[in-house]
Amino acid sequence: EAQVTQNPRYLITVTGKKLTVTCSQNMNHEYMSWYRQDPGLGLRQIYYSMNVEVTDKGDVPEGYKVSRKEKRNFPLILESPSPNQTSLYFCASSSPRLATYEQYFGPGTRLTVT
Amino acid sequence: AQSVSQHNHHVILSEAASLELGCNYSYGGTVNLFWYVQYPGQHLQLLLKYFSGDPLVKGIKGFEAEFIKSKFSFNLRKPSVQWSDTAEYFCAVNPANQAGTALIFGKGTTLSVSS
Repeated sequence: EAQVTQNPRYLITVTGKKLTVTCSQNMNHEYMSWYRQDPGLGLRQIYYSMNVEVTDKGDVPEGYKVSRKEKRNFPLILESPSPNQTSLYFCASSSPRLATYEQYFGPGTRLTVT
Repeated sequence: AQSVSQHNHHVILSEAASLELGCNYSYGGTVNLFWYVQYPGQHLQLLLKYFSGDPLVKGIKGFEAEFIKSKFSFNLRKPSVQWSDTAEYFCAVNPANQAGTALIFGKGTTLSVSS
């Protein structure tokens, strides 16, 4: 089954404790993105990657890092999480081979930073 | 800056009522347009998409949307809503020169349908 998976699905952590949210897709997509969803703000892009070792900032990159060492994986790293990073995070993938560039979303990771 | 505006924050309807959710975007070039739905506790699912051709597109579950280029709009419609349509709806725009890499979302419209 074609899908985007994220782990963990739920995470509660404390300020300053480094964490990584993993994202993996099995569709051989070149493009991958991370979004955060906050009430009343919709989804905002954090980072995106157009291929292995090619990443770039989205609209709200501050406090986040990403890496793309393999085509299927695109982890999101919070080096020193803060309470304002409490949010629902979605990973998405897409491909230029798709005529509509539709993005496929993972199930989301709900992060709480206390 | 590019932006997407959804006109209604919260819409409350009775079953069988008709639905129209407004969406306008600000971008002068070619765009791909999407409506996503998020049911309570679930992830985003694609309802429908427009990238070229007939400006009236049909999606899943009886939804349709019309792209009006002159108005920079992509409104979502459904003739008769059901209780199961209760969800949050997001309009999203993908500028063609950023195809596949950047989706700009509206802030969402929460639809509540009473039975």
